[in-house]
Amino acid sequence: QQPVQSPQAVILREGEDAVINCSSSKALYSVHWYRQKHGEAPVFLMILLKGGEQKGHEKISASFNEKKQQSSLYLTASQLSYSGTYFCGTELLTSYGKLTFGQGTILTVHP
Amino acid sequence: DAGVTQSPTHLIKTRGQHVTLRCSPISGHKSVSWYQQVLGQGPQFIFQYYEKEERGRGNFPDRFSARQFPNYSSELNVNALLLGDSALYLCASSLASGYQETQYFGPGTRLLVL
Repeated sequence: QQPVQSPQAVILREGEDAVINCSSSKALYSVHWYRQKHGEAPVFLMILLKGGEQKGHEKISASFNEKKQQSSLYLTASQLSYSGTYFCGTELLTSYGKLTFGQGTILTVHP
Repeated sequence: DAGVTQSPTHLIKTRGQHVTLRCSPISGHKSVSWYQQVLGQGPQFIFQYYEKEERGRGNFPDRFSARQFPNYSSELNVNALLLGDSALYLCASSLASGYQETQYFGPGTRLLVL
């Protein structure tokens, strides 16, 4: 089942912060975050592992609440380059290697 | 190091035709996954291959098939194309097949079915 992302869209000014949430109704093994710019491939940002370990981007942080099966991506001091669509991909306990992506959150950063 | 490469970049086909999409993974990566991304939606999992064997299949009809070669490159084949097959087809490579493997996406093949 597809994870639910919120909000669907965010508009920021440079330097502002944003939080993007990703919720699943099923038990997760990991959550993968990607950013996709228009006409380009999704770019890997971060992976959050069951047990709390994080691997990924230096300037972007995220959390994974295993009790709630929810992940949040924190974008601080946003830059113009942060604009794009953010997707979370969830990996279930029952199907390793298969990522199920949310519908995406469109982030627009203005000068 | 080269990233994931895919060919062709764009393709136009008519209904009922067949298409073959190709993917070369990052050097050293042994697993390839295929995703379909319809405009405005997230990628949807089609297949995963590891060491030439299918490790996972998404909810797609049998018209979709794939294979992986000894050099770990992969092909996605779609038969009897439908208008609804129009999408961006993404290939992602990872070191192995298993939990918590980071998948790196290629630029995709944009398929238009008329």
